[in-house]
Amino acid sequence: GAVVSQHPSWVICKSGTSVKIECRSLDFQATTMFWYRQFPKQSLMLMATSNEGSKATYEQGVEKDKFLINHASLTLSTLTVTSAHPEDSSFYICSARGGQETQYFGPGTRLLVL
Amino acid sequence: AQSVTQLGSHVSVSEGALVLLRCNYSSSVPPYLFWYVQYPNQGLQLLLKYTSAATLVKGINGFEAEFKKSETSFHLTKPSAHMSDAAEYFCAVSATDSWGKLQFGAGTQVVVTP
Repeated sequence: GAVVSQHPSWVICKSGTSVKIECRSLDFQATTMFWYRQFPKQSLMLMATSNEGSKATYEQGVEKDKFLINHASLTLSTLTVTSAHPEDSSFYICSARGGQETQYFGPGTRLLVL
Repeated sequence: AQSVTQLGSHVSVSEGALVLLRCNYSSSVPPYLFWYVQYPNQGLQLLLKYTSAATLVKGINGFEAEFKKSETSFHLTKPSAHMSDAAEYFCAVSATDSWGKLQFGAGTQVVVTP
């Protein structure tokens, strides 16, 4: 199956700093990438949808100025958590979709904000 | 709009016994349906998908699911549970015209006992 990577796999940062998470599709071109967050023992909540070369579409309740998404190429999307606070601590998962209906998920990035 | 309901947040099965995870969906347009598995601290792995072809879908690791339009269901089964099947399982639905946006169920935690 298609491979999606995320970097870093985990990150600890101080409150007020910004953190960038990368999502890469390694063996296919991803026309669309999705960003999810998952709290402990809960399901995945879609944060935003990004299409290469255009602005991301955010789900209701997700602050676009706090969670900056860039999809600069067909294989790379980045999520930047700006001015992170402890409540932003979560498991962030990206997925990538090529021309078909299946999304392939990255391994996730665990963010801990102190 | 579409939504997914997974019945049972926790399921305990004996090794070698039948695994049955229930998923019901609602969708205003013909849906695509997916089952994903998540191991601790990892991303999601696709088990199988229904995309309007055969209603009985076979996936990886011996899992299969049957799409029943009359019951709006897509239950996941495996004839004989293995210890390695212990994980969180998510049912998801996307509309055929939604650019792949997935709506996830709440998840079912499977515990396999010896």
